[in-house]
Amino acid sequence: GIQVEQSPPDLILQEGANSTLRCNFSDSVNNLQWFHQNPWGQLINLFYIPSGTKQNGRLSATTVATERYSLLYISSSQTTDSGVYFCAGGEKLTFGTGTRLTIIP
Amino acid sequence: GAVVSQHPSRVICKSGTSVKIECRSLDFQATTMFWYRQFPKQSLMLMATSNEGSKATYEQGVEKDKFLINHASLTLSTLTVTSAHPEDSSFYICSATGALTGGWNTEAFFGQGTRLTVV
Repeated sequence: GIQVEQSPPDLILQEGANSTLRCNFSDSVNNLQWFHQNPWGQLINLFYIPSGTKQNGRLSATTVATERYSLLYISSSQTTDSGVYFCAGGEKLTFGTGTRLTIIP
Repeated sequence: GAVVSQHPSRVICKSGTSVKIECRSLDFQATTMFWYRQFPKQSLMLMATSNEGSKATYEQGVEKDKFLINHASLTLSTLTVTSAHPEDSSFYICSATGALTGGWNTEAFFGQGTRLTVV
């Protein structure tokens, strides 16, 4: 099956900083998604981005399908951005290993 | 976005009993539903995929007689943990994809999750 690797595994930043999270797939997918898991476990849909670039407020994402990777950008981080970020994709919606982001006031 | 409702959010049960978790798509037809399990500080692991009206496809290592999945309608799938044991304690979460207003979409939407504790 598809392998999904995310980097970095952990990221600690000051409030106001920018960050880039990466997601690598072992094979092509046509349904790549980014999620934010809040402290209660709920998965919040951030982007559905099989290819190209999308932006939503302080967040944006870019997927380069031909090279099997996607990037999630968070600008001007806020403490509410803390949590775990996952990417997922493929026929079985395989999840990546996750990036735990901690924003310090 | 579409709404998926999962119920209950939290359940405590005694060893040997069965627990049923419901996953409903509220505003779209969920032709495919996925059930995941998540251990603390780990990623989501797919347990099974179910398509409406057909038997679920289980991932390797998942006991289908222990984790019964029923996807009887386009808006409801259930996961029943039978004869639960403490090692079944975990966070279970469902997701659904299907036909949204305006056409087919493969974007997956997730329920709130169920935290199961078996004592």
